[in-house]
Amino acid sequence: EPEVTQTPSHQVTQMGQEVILRCVPISNHLYFYWYRQILGQKVEFLVSFYNNEISEKSEIFDDQFSVERPDGSNFTLKIRSTKLEDSAMYFCASSERTGPNYGYTFGSGTRLTVV
Amino acid sequence: AQKITQTQPGMFVQEKEAVTLDCTYDTSDPSYGLFWYKQPSSGEMIFLIYQGSYDQQNATEGRYSLNFQKARKSANLVISASQLGDSAMYFCAMREGGRGYSTLTFGKGTMLLVSP
Repeated sequence: EPEVTQTPSHQVTQMGQEVILRCVPISNHLYFYWYRQILGQKVEFLVSFYNNEISEKSEIFDDQFSVERPDGSNFTLKIRSTKLEDSAMYFCASSERTGPNYGYTFGSGTRLTVV
Repeated sequence: AQKITQTQPGMFVQEKEAVTLDCTYDTSDPSYGLFWYKQPSSGEMIFLIYQGSYDQQNATEGRYSLNFQKARKSANLVISASQLGDSAMYFCAMREGGRGYSTLTFGKGTMLLVSP
């Protein structure tokens, strides 16, 4: 079954450093998403991406975050200057289409720890 | 207002028994989809079951069924014959259809523990 692949599975970084989280969505999916989950809390939407541009973003997705689809397969989330509160599980997801009938396929997540 | 409410922070069930995990939702959009995801301790998000707002019948997928009561805006997940491997966090989520780029909104989750 097709899957969304995320790398790395774990990353530890120092406060103030830049990190890039990588994702390979399912090949025929057109819509891509990043979510985060702070330990023990709910899963929160960060950003959606379609046709090489951001289609929607949440209040969490401020100027220190950016997303990119550098080639035909990868989808990346960059955090420019990490803060302690950025420590969370970050999920990439993709869906074939938008609309209420289409759920997401999630990757296994990247656990980011900022020290 | 919360779009998805899961009022049970934790639930306990014995193996082989059935369990119901509650979910209520809030939307004024006539077109929406409701989803349940399972998150085991390893962290990944696993899709379980989907119910569309216009579906006439309750969704079923193996041991999972969705008790969809549209008038009450509830979409409870029923797991029959619980197994030890069902111990996990369960999230209810909704995607509304009114806007072009609707996103999936999650509830806070219910932790299910299945005992032998």
